[in-house]
Amino acid sequence: EVVLTQSPDTLSLSPGERATLSCRASESFSSYLAWYQQKPGQAPRLLIYDASNRATGIPARFSGSGSGSDFTLTISSLEPEDFAVYYCQHRSDWPTFGQGTRLEIK
Amino acid sequence: QVQLQQWGAGLLKPSETLSLSCAVYSGSFIGYSWSWIRQPPGKGLEWIGEISHSGSTKFNPSLKSRVTISADTSKKRFSLNLSSVTAADTAVYYCARHCNDGACYAFWGQGTTVTVSS
Repeated sequence: EVVLTQSPDTLSLSPGERATLSCRASESFSSYLAWYQQKPGQAPRLLIYDASNRATGIPARFSGSGSGSDFTLTISSLEPEDFAVYYCQHRSDWPTFGQGTRLEIK
Repeated sequence: QVQLQQWGAGLLKPSETLSLSCAVYSGSFIGYSWSWIRQPPGKGLEWIGEISHSGSTKFNPSLKSRVTISADTSKKRFSLNLSSVTAADTAVYYCARHCNDGACYAFWGQGTTVTVSS
């Protein structure tokens, strides 16, 4: 089982700032790493797949990078609607998710 | 735009069987895999299991002995049964369609809150 550890647990920033979220895996793997955004009371929404590809309809301010065991989600300039919880996810033997990073307004 | 609509009983007693269904609208059922994922209150996401359009299944090892997932391709619908539930199974349950490469989840149902309480 690949264990995904996200950091930080909570990130406090202001609108307009740049957000950098990390996802570290317990072992290296291919680029099958996805990122999701979840707002209270809603289902997760796919943002990034295959580490760096934006899903349909996702704004260009969201970008993903990384390979091996270290992956990053970057939001270039935070909009008010971006404050939410973010999860990374990988599929190896079976799919696993990171514990989440809460992005809150400072 | 693919839409997933899910339903099922929201309140169960310990030892009962959880049963949820998920219907697919505005999209193909064939050619994709379909999963169930859950989220305990205030916690993260846990994959339960999946079924391919051909009917092959895979399950989370921690739940495998209690999980059944089935599909009816003619109705574009798939279902989850989780037996012998306990309070630890209290969660929001989501159905989801896999991405084209099968490695992520492109579309999600609205979620069903399931509470297990005596």
